[in-house]
Amino acid sequence: EDQVTQSPEALRLQEGESSSLNCSYTVSGLRGLFWYRQDPGKGPEFLFTLYSAGEEKEKERLKATLTKKESFLHITAPKPEDSATYLCAVQAGDSWGKLQFGAGTQVVVTP
Amino acid sequence: EPEVTQTPSHQVTQMGQEVILRCVPISNHLYFYWYRQILGQKVEFLVSFYNNEISEKSEIFDDQFSVERPDGSNFTLKIRSTKLEDSAMYFCAIPRTSGADEQFFGPGTRLTVL
Repeated sequence: EDQVTQSPEALRLQEGESSSLNCSYTVSGLRGLFWYRQDPGKGPEFLFTLYSAGEEKEKERLKATLTKKESFLHITAPKPEDSATYLCAVQAGDSWGKLQFGAGTQVVVTP
Repeated sequence: EPEVTQTPSHQVTQMGQEVILRCVPISNHLYFYWYRQILGQKVEFLVSFYNNEISEKSEIFDDQFSVERPDGSNFTLKIRSTKLEDSAMYFCAIPRTSGADEQFFGPGTRLTVL
């Protein structure tokens, strides 16, 4: 059965304190791994798509990487506006678009 | 980035009543997805809809649920007889372009079943 596990569940950072979030997955034939950001009461906001091991994507202070079993989202020198829940999702190769999400990592960045 | 709106933003209903949630993309799309998120829990896939047909559905999407494209532009999710456990945020999502993998989510409808 496909599974997506994110850790830690919550992370509290000082502004400027870099850290990494983990997403480990088991899926039958990975089509893609996706990172989203979700603010309270809002819909998930797309960040990155990763397709193959070794791939990296960057956007401002965020960098996503992928291995055969897990993905990391690195937050470099975070600011308070980076506070959000970060969601990881996978899509299996035989899927018609179904995204399977992890429970997310809630990140709080304090000034 | 494609845009999608959802109406209503909040729906309160009595148990056993029917509700219809609407999703309107800014541009024309053939692919649509519905997800739900119970408060404090994961985002869960409900159904994918392509060219007026269901292409994939989860075990959550039972006979109480249905999807339609009533007028060629907006998409609806209907829950025939709501239960307390249907209380959740319901999100529709559309791909960046037809057939693309990235999905862009709407703002959601908060459904409260009393």
